[in-house]
Amino acid sequence: DGGITQSPKYLFRKEGQNVTLSCEQNLNHDAMYWYRQDPGQGLRLIYYSQIVNDFQKGDIAEGYSVSREKKESFPLTVTSAQKNPTAFYLCASSMRGQGDYGYTFGSGTRLTVV
Amino acid sequence: KQEVTQIPAALSVPEGENLVLNCSFTDSAIYNLQWFRQDPGKGLTSLLLIQSSQREQTSGRLNASLDKSSGRSTLYIAASQPGDSATYLCALPGGSYIPTFGRGTSLIVHP
Repeated sequence: DGGITQSPKYLFRKEGQNVTLSCEQNLNHDAMYWYRQDPGQGLRLIYYSQIVNDFQKGDIAEGYSVSREKKESFPLTVTSAQKNPTAFYLCASSMRGQGDYGYTFGSGTRLTVV
Repeated sequence: KQEVTQIPAALSVPEGENLVLNCSFTDSAIYNLQWFRQDPGKGLTSLLLIQSSQREQTSGRLNASLDKSSGRSTLYIAASQPGDSATYLCALPGGSYIPTFGRGTSLIVHP
């Protein structure tokens, strides 16, 4: 079955460390997105990519970095510059430029600073 | 910029009630509207996708309607069950087709 796989499900980061969250999709979707979700708050867009080798900052990109070297993969790195990284991170994908098919989400990664 | 509002923010009802969740948006030039369900600590599961040319979609006990001219969508849940307890979000493609989300309605259905 096609879908989006996020790994790991839980991730612990020490102060000053960079960590990378994985997002892989086999839906042949062009566009991929990263969102952050905090308790009691809505989804906030971190980065998005509409084609391979191209990505754009979202509303809260500071302290994060991404790459899009393959259509299937859109990893997110949480750098030491992100002062409050503890949150639930969600990856999504869609067909580029076509709203007809909607969006598909992964199951999320919960990141905790220890 | 598209803005999405969901009312109510929270809802607690006894089992068996019929429910209406509301989603309003500011820009009516939309391609579609999608309703999601999120269980605690989980990702978003798509429930219904309504194309801009449609007025409603149904799946089991769920029915979603779309009125572009008034900037509103409703999600109707018939005969609610405790298993329906979750947060329900609506999303619309905004600029560059990036989805814009409401903050969701947190639903508790108690036995």
